Amino acid sequence: NAGVTQTPKFRVLKTGQSMTLLCAQDMNHEYMYWYRQDPGMGLRLIHYSVGEGTTAKGEVPDGYNVSRLKKQNFLLGLESAAPSQTSVYFCASSSRAEYPSYEQYFGPGTRLTVT
Amino acid sequence: LAKTTQPISMDSYEGQEVNITCSHNNIATNDYITWYQQFPSQGPRFIIQGYKTKVTNEVASLFIPADRKSSTLSLPRVSLSDTAVYYCLVASGVSSGSARQLTFGSGTQLTVLP
Repeated sequence: NAGVTQTPKFRVLKTGQSMTLLCAQDMNHEYMYWYRQDPGMGLRLIHYSVGEGTTAKGEVPDGYNVSRLKKQNFLLGLESAAPSQTSVYFCASSSRAEYPSYEQYFGPGTRLTVT
Repeated sequence: LAKTTQPISMDSYEGQEVNITCSHNNIATNDYITWYQQFPSQGPRFIIQGYKTKVTNEVASLFIPADRKSSTLSLPRVSLSDTAVYYCLVASGVSSGSARQLTFGSGTQLTVLP
């Protein structure tokens, strides 16, 4: 199992450009999440999904859109990149188990720089 | 979600037991306590979770007193490879069918010295 993978690993954008980050998981998890992590800080939740075709806003959703057309994939889009979106982006997934488990599986991250 | 407070940094030596304490005074009845570890340039990794008393797994123990307003992560006999940031999180006990959201604080930077 590859677990959670993210594409690309690095990207440099100019202000105003758009891009899509792809997250894929092969664990058949129902829940998927997108976080951002700024230097010296913890992770902040951008958007999440509780199942195929569903998305919801997290703590810092402005400037981002997401889609979950397939259960295994969760896409994060930046329509018009801004320097404030320079960050490391992590995708995660978790299972909708009967017992309330808070174990999330994280991908390796995408380092995005907006100039 | 309850706010957590933990030390910014801690130093230890190889072979010692390390205890990292986290306070969460506003924890709700249905909330769980969970801990994650993060190495530089990697995503966080789940360590352990608990609701009350003591939980132990192959890598750590979690101690939660009766009032649940604090918790302590115990790492036995640390090695250099345990140098990482450790996050204490209080997770809302939402029902199945909802995403189980986590709120990360700034974490504790643990440095293990030789």
